[in-house]
Amino acid sequence: SQKIEQNSEALNIQEGKTATLTCNYTNYSPAYLQWYRQDPGRGPVFLLLIRENEKEKRKERLKVTFDTTLKQSLFHITASQPADSATYLCASSNNAGNMLTFGGGTRLMVKP
Amino acid sequence: KAGVTQTPRYLIKTRGQQVTLSCSPISGHRSVSWYQQTPGQGLQFLFEYFSETQRNKGNFPGRFSGRQFSNSRSEMNVSTLELGDSALYLCASSSAAYSGNTIYFGEGSWLTVV
Repeated sequence: SQKIEQNSEALNIQEGKTATLTCNYTNYSPAYLQWYRQDPGRGPVFLLLIRENEKEKRKERLKVTFDTTLKQSLFHITASQPADSATYLCASSNNAGNMLTFGGGTRLMVKP
Repeated sequence: KAGVTQTPRYLIKTRGQQVTLSCSPISGHRSVSWYQQTPGQGLQFLFEYFSETQRNKGNFPGRFSGRQFSNSRSEMNVSTLELGDSALYLCASSSAAYSGNTIYFGEGSWLTVV
């Protein structure tokens, strides 16, 4: 069955370092991968979307990659700050509507 | 412009009752989706509506239903509530008919079933 997984439930890093979060998918080929940030008690907030024919996408301190051979997406936050502490969710979708399949999320904690 | 608005924000219901949750998408958005979020199962897709038609449905029992009105506002209903239905229910809207565009989430409705 189709599955999308985020390797780490939690990730602790020091302020200023680069945080790298991993998302793997199996048994399907999504057309898009998206990354969201979710703070406790709030709805997810869209960060970046990458298409299957794109290798890399950047937005300010954020970078996402899409490797269709490894069936993996990496999400990087450079020069991390304590304000980046949150749960980050990856989600896949195809061209059949706006249905998203989410990974379990990675809780990132950036320590000062 | 206003974001996705969900009401009520918090509610407590008793087992066996039914509940209706409401979602107002961003103005101009015709796609509305619903998700259930629990600590154990994470975020799971319930259904998606576009121009009043259900386009996709997740793997949930028939107790979960929804609809979309001509003004794109949407409601979801859960009948015969069970304890396991306690969750954060999230609504999301998009201006596009298909993926590849930004999807905006509301803050959710917290449902507790006792």
